[in-house]
Amino acid sequence: GQNIDQPTEMTATEGAIVQINCTYQTSGFNGLFWYQQHAGEAPTFLSYNVLDGLEEKGRFSSFLSRSKGYSYLLLKELQMKDSASYLCAVDDSNYQLIWGAGTKLIIKP
Amino acid sequence: IAGITQAPTSQILAAGRRMTLRCTQDMRHNAMYWYRQDLGLGLRLIHYSNTAGTTGKGEVPDGYSVSRANTDDFPLTLASAVPSQTSVYFCASSEGGMNTGELFFGEGSRLTVL
Repeated sequence: GQNIDQPTEMTATEGAIVQINCTYQTSGFNGLFWYQQHAGEAPTFLSYNVLDGLEEKGRFSSFLSRSKGYSYLLLKELQMKDSASYLCAVDDSNYQLIWGAGTKLIIKP
Repeated sequence: IAGITQAPTSQILAAGRRMTLRCTQDMRHNAMYWYRQDLGLGLRLIHYSNTAGTTGKGEVPDGYSVSRANTDDFPLTLASAVPSQTSVYFCASSEGGMNTGELFFGEGSRLTVL
């Protein structure tokens, strides 16, 4: 079957660094997406990885290892506004996006 | 630019009633999607459309129907609502074909079926 695993909830401190992991098992692979979703709002696109390695975009970075079926989202210099759910999704190359249940990130002062 | 507009924002509905959730985009995107989001579960695809005039079934299509008469509009209809259809519904679009690239989401429609 197709499966994406993410931690349900994480807590971090303002100003710190947090890493949110995502592991996947899918029939195919054509890229991995990270989305941010604030409570009561729509998901918004953060990053897309299709090749192994680290993609950096400001305070946010995303890493992919295709051989390990593994990705992480790294958030630096955490701000209170980063409190949100972070959704991992894999394009299984069969025109399907497989979504994880999301990781709720709580930032404490 | 509005992006994707969904209506209504929220609705309480009696079981057995018919309901249409509206979705309009002004980005001229080819592909459009309807997802439902339930607590503890990932987004689940209900129906999709690669281009105007075509539609397809997603992971959880039963009890729902869609149409794509033009590029901009993609309404979702619940023919006879049941309590298990209580959920938050998101309409989304992408510029290219099915699931190519970034998805743009509407603000969601919260539906409660009693």
